[in-house]
Amino acid sequence: GAGVSQSPSNKVTEKGKDVELRCDPISGHTALYWYRQSLGQGLEFLIYFQGNSAPDKSGLPSDRFSAERTGGSVSTLTIQRTQQEDSAVYLCASSQGLAGGLEQFFGPGTRLTVL
Amino acid sequence: EDQVTQSPEALRLQEGESSSLNCSYTVSGLRGLFWYRQDPGKGPEFLFTLYSAGEEKEKERLKATLTKKESFLHITAPKPEDSATYLCAVRFSSGGSYIPTFGRGTSLIVHP
Repeated sequence: GAGVSQSPSNKVTEKGKDVELRCDPISGHTALYWYRQSLGQGLEFLIYFQGNSAPDKSGLPSDRFSAERTGGSVSTLTIQRTQQEDSAVYLCASSQGLAGGLEQFFGPGTRLTVL
Repeated sequence: EDQVTQSPEALRLQEGESSSLNCSYTVSGLRGLFWYRQDPGKGPEFLFTLYSAGEEKEKERLKATLTKKESFLHITAPKPEDSATYLCAVRFSSGGSYIPTFGRGTSLIVHP
């Protein structure tokens, strides 16, 4: 079966522009996570979706960041008015969630560069 | 203060030279410890889950063990293809959160 996919793989944008990053989780996985990974840094949690519950947005660094998950499947992370410090690799992961294992399966990431 | 600490930050080994990576955590109420491997330019790849002290899991040259406050990832007779960053993540019971806390990783290089 297909793993987690993310698009685009690379995104270069200018400071102040909005960007949308997409994640397609593994079919049947109810939990979806977004992380940010800067060079030489660990994974920084951003947001977590579990089924139809309200998302846990506690990791979002500012109100310029938002995410949605439509139909319990595909998720989009939106960054408005991008800043240079937003440059990083954005990783999406899914897991079986409450009904199964908590191990996460990651996508290949989207490398965002803000000029 | 980091809740999950990995050491060393970087490790260089010769092919065949066995060693161990450490993941220690400071918060009580462990509800799962996860090991991942991350190759450059890729997302982390799941390796093991450990739930209770004394538990061990093995896969090829890797063996993960768990005590009450730390986990070890033992690498036996490593090969150059084992070179990667190894990440540890811990899920704590506080608030019933399903969001694991990741360590910063250990970068492993195995020289032929």
